Amino acid sequence: EPEVTQTPSHQVTQMGQEVILRCVPISNHLYFYWYRQILGQKVEFLVSFYNNEISEKSEIFDDQFSVERPDGSNFTLKIRSTKLEDSAMYFCASRNQQDRQEKLFFGSGTQLSVL
Amino acid sequence: QKEVEQDPGPLSVPEGAIVSLNCTYSNSAFQYFMWYRQYSRKGPELLMYTYSSGNKEDGRFTAQVDKSSKYISLFIRDSQPSDSATYLCAMTGGYQKVTFGTGTKLQVIP
Repeated sequence: EPEVTQTPSHQVTQMGQEVILRCVPISNHLYFYWYRQILGQKVEFLVSFYNNEISEKSEIFDDQFSVERPDGSNFTLKIRSTKLEDSAMYFCASRNQQDRQEKLFFGSGTQLSVL
Repeated sequence: QKEVEQDPGPLSVPEGAIVSLNCTYSNSAFQYFMWYRQYSRKGPELLMYTYSSGNKEDGRFTAQVDKSSKYISLFIRDSQPSDSATYLCAMTGGYQKVTFGTGTKLQVIP
């Protein structure tokens, strides 16, 4: 069964450092997303991406965040200067072109720990 | 008022029990309703989705939506220890972002 793959599963970084979280969406999907979940809190939308541009972003997704599809298979989330409050589980998701957002497929997540 | 409200639990039931999980919402723009299951330290896994008021059944799971009351439910029949997880309700207007509830932690005791 096709799945969304995320690497690394756990990332530890120092405050102020840049991190890049990587995702390989399902191969025939064209819409990509990043969500995050702070420990004990709900899953929160960060950004959606289609046709090489951001289609929607939340207030969390400020200038410190960026997304990129550097090639035909990867989708990345970059945090330029990490803060303590960026510590969370980050989930990548994707969906098929024909499907609405009720058919999102999520990866297993990257646990980001900012020290 | 929060857009989506969900009782965090935890909910502990004996094996074989019927489980009822519920969410309320305030945004009338929500038209599509989903239930995700999330195991510890894993990504949400889509269980069921529905568009309209009424019931939708899939095996031991039934999703129920009442748009007039802005209330959705997930029923699990003959619950199994493997059903122990956190259940997230989620909703969207369709092509907009998905908004999640906080999740209800369920434990099914053998």
